[in-house]
Amino acid sequence: AQSVAQPEDQVNVAEGNPLTVKCTYSVSGNPYLFWYVQYPNRGLQFLLKYITGDNLVKGSYGFEAEFNKSQTSFHLKKPSALVSDSALYFCAVRDQGSNYQLIWGAGTKLIIKP
Amino acid sequence: SAVISQKPSRDICQRGTSLTIQCQVDSQVTMMFWYRQQPGQSLTLIATANQGSEATYESGFVIDKFPISRPNLTFSTLTVSNMSPEDSSIYLCSVGYRGKETQYFGPGTRLLVL
Repeated sequence: AQSVAQPEDQVNVAEGNPLTVKCTYSVSGNPYLFWYVQYPNRGLQFLLKYITGDNLVKGSYGFEAEFNKSQTSFHLKKPSALVSDSALYFCAVRDQGSNYQLIWGAGTKLIIKP
Repeated sequence: SAVISQKPSRDICQRGTSLTIQCQVDSQVTMMFWYRQQPGQSLTLIATANQGSEATYESGFVIDKFPISRPNLTFSTLTVSNMSPEDSSIYLCSVGYRGKETQYFGPGTRLLVL
């Protein structure tokens, strides 16, 4: 069965420190991988995606993610965290052969402390 | 990316009543989806809204409870029928374009059923 795992319910980081939000996946075939962010009382905003090519992809707000095929991971990273990065982060995967439907992780709450 | 609006943004409803949520996009889109996000949870796909035909529902969701319309390529509605407190959730509309991998989300409708 296809699935996405975000092993951490919550990640706490001090402002200015690097952050990582983890995501691993299990899908058949080659995946499309996505990160979305949800700020309090807001909808989901697209951050970045991996489709093909360079394993390191850059997205909005200084975030980046690294696709690792051997480890089936797509961890979200940022070199220096801001308090305003505090939000709920979702990893999602789509099999290239699927009809646009996404498989979602459970979400990770990121808390950046000043 | 698409500009997506949802109405209402939030509502408080009495059990046994119905609420219709509207999703409007500023451009013609190929795919429109309706999701539910229960408090503190990940997203669950309710259905794919098909233009000019009946929606395609996911397991656990039925047309009688969640009737969906999509009269054209820029608009869709989701009705939550005969509501109970268990229907209290955020309802999100998302869209996708043919040949494009990313789904974009509306701001969501926050529903509280008393």
